[in-house]
Amino acid sequence: DAGITQSPRHKVTETGTPVTLRCHQTENHRYMYWYRQDPGHGLRLIHYSYGVKDTDKGEVSDGYSVSRSKTEDFLLTLESATSSQTSVYFCATLEGFQETQYFGPGTRLLVL
Amino acid sequence: AQSVTQPDIHITVSEGASLELRCNYSYGATPYLFWYVQSPGQGLQLLLKYFSGDTLVQGIKGFEAEFKRSQSSFNLRKPSVHWSDAAEYFCAVRLTGNQFYFGTGTSLTVIP
Repeated sequence: DAGITQSPRHKVTETGTPVTLRCHQTENHRYMYWYRQDPGHGLRLIHYSYGVKDTDKGEVSDGYSVSRSKTEDFLLTLESATSSQTSVYFCATLEGFQETQYFGPGTRLLVL
Repeated sequence: AQSVTQPDIHITVSEGASLELRCNYSYGATPYLFWYVQSPGQGLQLLLKYFSGDTLVQGIKGFEAEFKRSQSSFNLRKPSVHWSDAAEYFCAVRLTGNQFYFGTGTSLTVIP
């Protein structure tokens, strides 16, 4: 357990509203990731961060932005939520020495 | 393009029977390969990983996987399945830049 928490765990929102998901880690891992999980697609990378203020896009980044102002926090923002962004969102960190990703418990987001 | 293929969407086995979950990858360099398990409503947990060396790797919960470069495969095996093994299993490859690419997953059902 790498001490990763996600908040909120569940959220229902309406189309067009902004949404921010938070990932918090206590292990001081350098890399952090946001994935979305959808049936038939597995996990797809949205954005990742390789240090404070250093982020890059993944394969499904459209409609999402991220920020990392502190090592321990990685925020995912949906600027204007759409129904296609209904999904389960997972945060992960990378433990550098063991080259292993650790995952948070997930956030279930429903956009109506 | 890099990819990970899990050809079996769903597998059903009897408790006590052996299990093999297939994973094929497409990647130019020697890959770092992983298997994760996800129980319902949970995040992903690492089962095992392969970086180099012995092509047969042992993981937690009695799982093992064999890397076969000639077949671009990294299949997961367990000699005797327990009811608690029912879950979703994901194969993943680590790309350059510490990005990870996941397969679409295999759902395992265990019948008594």
